[in-house]
Amino acid sequence: ILNVEQSPQSLHVQEGDSTNFTCSFPSSNFYALHWYRWETAKSPEALFVMTLNGDEKKKGRISATLNTKEGYSYLYIKGSQPEDSATYLCAIIRTGNNRKLIWGLGTSLAVNP
Amino acid sequence: DGGITQSPKYLFRKEGQNVTLSCEQNLNHDAMYWYRQDPGQGLRLIYYSQIVNDFQKGDIAEGYSVSREKKESFPLTVTSAQKNPTAFYLCASSAIGSTNEKLFFGSGTQLSVL
Repeated sequence: ILNVEQSPQSLHVQEGDSTNFTCSFPSSNFYALHWYRWETAKSPEALFVMTLNGDEKKKGRISATLNTKEGYSYLYIKGSQPEDSATYLCAIIRTGNNRKLIWGLGTSLAVNP
Repeated sequence: DGGITQSPKYLFRKEGQNVTLSCEQNLNHDAMYWYRQDPGQGLRLIYYSQIVNDFQKGDIAEGYSVSREKKESFPLTVTSAQKNPTAFYLCASSAIGSTNEKLFFGSGTQLSVL
């Protein structure tokens, strides 16, 4: 994998469902991974910054895990609510790349009430 | 409230015209960034700055220029050399110029060509 890939591209769930999506990235020269939430008509908002293999972070009903050896991160949302509807962006920083963020295309989540 | 302010929200450019997008932050952040978003593509870095009076080209700097005369301000000029300027432009800042600091974003400017 040369780029950051996010799957699925879009997702529709019912209120109360739990869901998860994936961010895949090159495992070599890994430095850090960022997750952002971008609601329509608002600014992207940082959720997590993760650096260590095996990292797990949690913010309310949202949590994320990181596997730097195999090059993936999972974002979980427990008991989805309509206000969770947004695009979730993943980005990584690689060493030797001036530490610039490399962005995925995002996963668009729609939670139906 | 602390944050990043981008203006205008919508901007129209005529052929051959230069236009400037404003980005101001009151977060006391050292680093500031300009990204461009096009449909079906991830955010692409245009320019970034880690300190006043210094800035570096990102991945798609051609046809753009920036200045960083004040810590709070990082305006982006879209010049007439940018042949495909229609896009959504996002400004961001972070506490330090590298490592793991999260980005804080403005609300964006939609630029369209008349």
